[in-house]
Amino acid sequence: KQEVTQIPAALSVPEGENLVLNCSFTDSAIYNLQWFRQDPGKGLTSLLLIQSSQREQTSGRLNASLDKSSGRSTLYIAASQPGDSATYLCAAPTGGGADGLTFGKGTHLIIQP
Amino acid sequence: SAVISQKPSRDICQRGTSLTIQCQVDSQVTMMFWYRQQPGQSLTLIATANQGSEATYESGFVIDKFPISRPNLTFSTLTVSNMSPEDSSIYLCSVEETATEAFFGQGTRLTVV
Repeated sequence: KQEVTQIPAALSVPEGENLVLNCSFTDSAIYNLQWFRQDPGKGLTSLLLIQSSQREQTSGRLNASLDKSSGRSTLYIAASQPGDSATYLCAAPTGGGADGLTFGKGTHLIIQP
Repeated sequence: SAVISQKPSRDICQRGTSLTIQCQVDSQVTMMFWYRQQPGQSLTLIATANQGSEATYESGFVIDKFPISRPNLTFSTLTVSNMSPEDSSIYLCSVEETATEAFFGQGTRLTVV
């Protein structure tokens, strides 16, 4: 069954830095991978969806890459801002005939003003 | 993108009681899911809500504890029955079509006392 791992678990950086969040998954037979943002006590906001045929997807200061063969995805945040502080979750289809998504435990990001 | 309204947004309940959470989507969707996020943890899929038939539950979740209804393609409910403090979590409704983006409601924060 799909397993998703995110590294690091927590990250604190000064404002303005570029940073990379990492996600790995065990079942590479995925049709897409999705990155979410979650603010404390809130629901999930979809940031980027990468289809299996794509290698990258960009939205504003965010860029996500997908390497199915190695079972990895990265989320790149450029010129970080305090408003980027949140937990970032990576999710891949559970697969194996099962529905829904399997989530990593997330990266808790703090951007220091 | 789908817009999901989830009610209530939060509740404090007495142990032994039940709470029904509603999820309304602004468009017809094939797949609706219910997830649980325990404190400090990532999301775990409870079940897939199937329109016109019984929900499909993941390992560790049973219909008697988490009955689900899905009367049409835009609405679903999740009931948390005979609650105990261990049921204190955020419960989230999600929708997606195969190989497309998943969207989440804002979640229901449940505290059982």
